[in-house]
Amino acid sequence: DTEVTQTPKHLVMGMTNKKSLKCEQHMGHRAMYWYKQKAKKPPELMFVYSYEKLSINESVPSRFSPECPNSSLLNLHLHALQPEDSALYLCASSHREEYNSPLHFGNGTRLTVT
Amino acid sequence: AQSVTQPDIHITVSEGASLELRCNYSYGATPYLFWYVQSPGQGLQLLLKYFSGDTLVQGIKGFEAEFKRSQSSFNLRKPSVHWSDAAEYFCAVAPYNNNDMRFGAGTRLTVKP
Repeated sequence: DTEVTQTPKHLVMGMTNKKSLKCEQHMGHRAMYWYKQKAKKPPELMFVYSYEKLSINESVPSRFSPECPNSSLLNLHLHALQPEDSALYLCASSHREEYNSPLHFGNGTRLTVT
Repeated sequence: AQSVTQPDIHITVSEGASLELRCNYSYGATPYLFWYVQSPGQGLQLLLKYFSGDTLVQGIKGFEAEFKRSQSSFNLRKPSVHWSDAAEYFCAVAPYNNNDMRFGAGTRLTVKP
């Protein structure tokens, strides 16, 4: 069982829809991450939150909007997505951003944009 | 810039055979190295990590990896593969912190009965 929980597991949305992905962890981790993974590719970092503050935005389009309401929750708000945004979206957490803090991943949300 | 290379896109081994997955990194100093495994439709699970000290690192599920500075390698090994080991394996390097973590392209492992 994963200690990082992501909901929903699958999401199909149209290009005009607004939806949100949710991620939750109760390990006391203070760094949380969003990754995007296309088929047969490694994960690509999108955003990092450290102590509930946005630390890194890897030049992600504004149609993706992250939010960290508290130290246990991480959301990714989606609006006006494109079909090429279809992918597996992975949430991860770590004790801190520092290197000696391995990432714990959720099982992801499989997003399809029609 | 740091990078990590997994030369083998796909490897097939028979159940019970030994396994070695290759990983090479490019970085000026010794980075922090990880191996993750991803089963179909799942997230990534940490198998093992190397920060310093003993260059032979033991991980979960019977995996081990050896850091070789002279070869800039961090190869993953398992003496006897089980059918449940079929998955995608990612080597990753994090020179400073997790924001700089870079994943290799991955190696897909198929296990033959």
